[in-house]
Amino acid sequence: DTGVSQNPRHKITKRGQNVTFRCDPISEHNRLYWYRQTLGQGPEFLTYFQNEAQLEKSRLLSDRFSAERPKGSFSTLEIQRTEQGDSAMYLCASSLASGQGNTIYFGEGSWLTVV
Amino acid sequence: SQKIEQNSEALNIQEGKTATLTCNYTNYSPAYLQWYRQDPGRGPVFLLLIRENEKEKRKERLKVTFDTTLKQSLFHITASQPADSATYLCALDTHGTDKLIFGTGTRLQVFP
Repeated sequence: DTGVSQNPRHKITKRGQNVTFRCDPISEHNRLYWYRQTLGQGPEFLTYFQNEAQLEKSRLLSDRFSAERPKGSFSTLEIQRTEQGDSAMYLCASSLASGQGNTIYFGEGSWLTVV
Repeated sequence: SQKIEQNSEALNIQEGKTATLTCNYTNYSPAYLQWYRQDPGRGPVFLLLIRENEKEKRKERLKVTFDTTLKQSLFHITASQPADSATYLCALDTHGTDKLIFGTGTRLQVFP
């Protein structure tokens, strides 16, 4: 069981730089989700994919945030021109959607610190 | 406004006792409600899912109840152990699309 894999686990970047996080979902999972979590809060939904189609991106925090899943397998989340307020843990999750109420598996997260 | 409320204060209980955590929500009509465990610095781990037409769900020492009239879910851990110490998150799925809306979580501390 390889689980959901996220890289890098930790990233420290200077304000104004671009960062990219990668997520490898569980093999054959067709749905992939991105969440953001700050200290003391629950995860906040950002966007999700069904295969390669991005079905919702309205929750992406600004136009500096973008996500892709080009071949319906791994996904990337890019943050351009980072700001200190972007410091958070970025969580990826995946599920095998078969009907409703599917088990969702989260990765260990990618910590971003913007200095 | 829409809210999901979990007790922000930590719950401290003695080993062997039953821990009960509460999740209240307003202005949502969830199709499903899920509970997750999260350890410090780690991603959430799925524990249980309960559907809107279910009153109760059990898994080993865990039990979840779901009252759509009260708009409340209770999460119980029986015979608690120090290894159960973690933050527990409830999450709503309002459209059956697996897009989850999380509460802020309750930290449980089980002491010997």
